[in-house]
Amino acid sequence: GNSVTQMEGPVTLSEEAFLTINCTYTATGYPSLFWYVQYPGEGLQLLLKATKADDKGSNKGFEATYRKETTSFHLEKGSVQVSDSAVYFCALSGRDSSYKLIFGSGTRLLVRP
Amino acid sequence: DSGVTQTPKHLITATGQRVTLRCSPRSGDLSVYWYQQSLDQGLQFLIQYYNGEERAKGNILERFSAQQFPDLHSELNLSSLELGDSALYFCASSVIPVDDTQYFGPGTRLTVL
Repeated sequence: GNSVTQMEGPVTLSEEAFLTINCTYTATGYPSLFWYVQYPGEGLQLLLKATKADDKGSNKGFEATYRKETTSFHLEKGSVQVSDSAVYFCALSGRDSSYKLIFGSGTRLLVRP
Repeated sequence: DSGVTQTPKHLITATGQRVTLRCSPRSGDLSVYWYQQSLDQGLQFLIQYYNGEERAKGNILERFSAQQFPDLHSELNLSSLELGDSALYFCASSVIPVDDTQYFGPGTRLTVL
């Protein structure tokens, strides 16, 4: 079945450092890929998405490229801020009859001033 | 603000009891999804409704049930509650098949004592 694997956290960075959070997936067909972010005590917010191979999703300085050849959708940001501290979830939608989301285990990011 | 509302925000109850969680989707979204977030299981898909009809089931216990009403709001009913049912329950909505992006509500935190 479909699955998503994320790098284990926590990831601790200093402000203005470069961020990469790895995400790989297993899926049949052509899934949509998403990154969601969960700030402390809050719900899930859509960060970015990509729906086909080589698409790049971007938002608030974060980027991720849909790589079908490596089945990856790694999240990157060139310069993190303290306010980026949160848990980041990679997810896929198999675009089957339900479009349900399958999530990775989440990666906690802590950015120190 | 995603446009998806959930009530109540917090719920504390005892083992063996029954509770109802409520969700109102974004205006125009016909599809509603329920997810459970727990420390040991992560984010798990429970059930999906589309325009009042059940579309897909995930890892939902037989003690749990849901429905979607004609005004498209949805309720998740949890009965014979156990300590292990303590979790954050999220509702999401989408406008499939036009767009498979899911927008999440703030969640209901259920504590079973």
